[in-house]
Amino acid sequence: GENVEQHPSTLSVQEGDSAVIKCTYSDSASNYFPWYKQELGKGPQLIIDIRSNVGEKKDQRIAVTLNKTAKHFSLHITETQPEDSAVYFCAASYGQNFVFGPGTRLSVLP
Amino acid sequence: NAGVTQTPKFQVLKTGQSMTLQCAQDMNHEYMSWYRQDPGMGLRLIHYSVGAGITDQGEVPNGYNVSRSTTEDFPLRLLSAAPSQTSVYFCASSQKQTIYFGEGSWLTVV
Repeated sequence: GENVEQHPSTLSVQEGDSAVIKCTYSDSASNYFPWYKQELGKGPQLIIDIRSNVGEKKDQRIAVTLNKTAKHFSLHITETQPEDSAVYFCAASYGQNFVFGPGTRLSVLP
Repeated sequence: NAGVTQTPKFQVLKTGQSMTLQCAQDMNHEYMSWYRQDPGMGLRLIHYSVGAGITDQGEVPNGYNVSRSTTEDFPLRLLSAAPSQTSVYFCASSQKQTIYFGEGSWLTVV
């Protein structure tokens, strides 16, 4: 079955710096890769996604890149702000379901 | 603008007790699912449904039952609660691979 690894598990950055979270997946049939942000006490919310026919996608300060050959994809957050502090999850499609990474706790220090 | 609604938000159970976590969505999504979230393990799929009358097992189905009598509702039943079922439970619905999560249900089994 599909396996998704995510690194790092925790990440601290200074406000204004960039943050990068990396995920790898195992099933070459996966074709959709969403990223979720989870704030304390809340459910995860979709922040950006990418499909396998695209190498990069950007939405304001957030971007995602995908390398199908290497089976890894990354989340890039530029000009980080305190409100970016949260847990971030990557996921890979697996049939009609998804497999999630274990999460990265991002702390943006003022 | 309810989206996915879960109840209860918090619950404490004694070992061996049974209970039902309720989930309702008002977006007319065919696909619904239940996940559990444990520290360092991300979100793991318990059960899912692709439409009314159809359910299937996910990655960690043991100890849980589901039913889908209507498009809107997808309750999760714990048959005989065990301390290993202490977790945060998320219900979700999805359309075209975009997942919408509920706010979560914190369950403690003592």
